[in-house]
Amino acid sequence: DTEVTQTPKHLVMGMTNKKSLKCEQHMGHRAMYWYKQKAKKPPELMFVYSYEKLSINESVPSRFSPECPNSSLLNLHLHALQPEDSALYLCASSQDTTLIKLFFGSGTQLSVL
Amino acid sequence: QQQVKQSPQSLIVQKGGISIINCAYENTAFDYFPWYQQFPGKGPALLIAIRPDVSEKKEGRFTISFNKSAKQFSLHIMDSQPGDSATYFCAAQAAGNKLTFGGGTRVLVKP
Repeated sequence: DTEVTQTPKHLVMGMTNKKSLKCEQHMGHRAMYWYKQKAKKPPELMFVYSYEKLSINESVPSRFSPECPNSSLLNLHLHALQPEDSALYLCASSQDTTLIKLFFGSGTQLSVL
Repeated sequence: QQQVKQSPQSLIVQKGGISIINCAYENTAFDYFPWYQQFPGKGPALLIAIRPDVSEKKEGRFTISFNKSAKQFSLHIMDSQPGDSATYFCAAQAAGNKLTFGGGTRVLVKP
C-alpha cells in the first residue's frame, strides 16, 4: 500500500466554524507533513512530524493546529479561518527526514466563506 | 527568498517533441534534487531524483541532467505525450533539512 489517504476531499466552512482534516498512511513512514498549495504555486510547508513529534512549524498561524495521534495518522484542526486560507491542503509522508521522498495524498480543497 | 529558481513557467510542446525544464539553486549544501509531477486535482508525485555525484540519470522517457559547477539541473521529457501534460516542480534538499520547491512549470503537450 503506497497511498496517503486524505479526508474530506472538499470542505466549505465559515469563518467561525471548527473543522478537522484527516490523513492516514500505512507505509510505515515515520515523517508526516502538512502542506498548503495555492493555485499555480508550489506546495508550501506548514508542519512536519518526525517520529510523532512536531519537528517543524513554519510560523503557521495558531488557527491551524496539527495533531499526530500515532505513526499512521495526522490531523489538522481548523478554527476561525480567514478567506485567504482557502487553498488545497496536502498531507504527505516520507520514510524519514534524511532524504525526503514525499508521498502525497490527493488533498483537501478548502473554501473559507 | 526563493532558493530554487525554475523556468519556464509554462511550456507548450508538440506530441513527440522534447520538453525541457530548468532549475537553478544557490545553496551549495543542497545534495538531493527530486522532480515532482502534479496532475490537476491530485497531489504531486515523485518522478525522478538525482544526487550530485552523477551528472545524468535516466528513467524511461525522463532524464535529469545535473551541472554542479553551474548549480543547475534540468528535466528532459523525451517523446512527450499528451498524458505528460501536468505541472512539474523541481526541488532541492540539504540532508536532514526541509525540501525546497521551485516555482513550477505547466507543461501542455499538444496532440
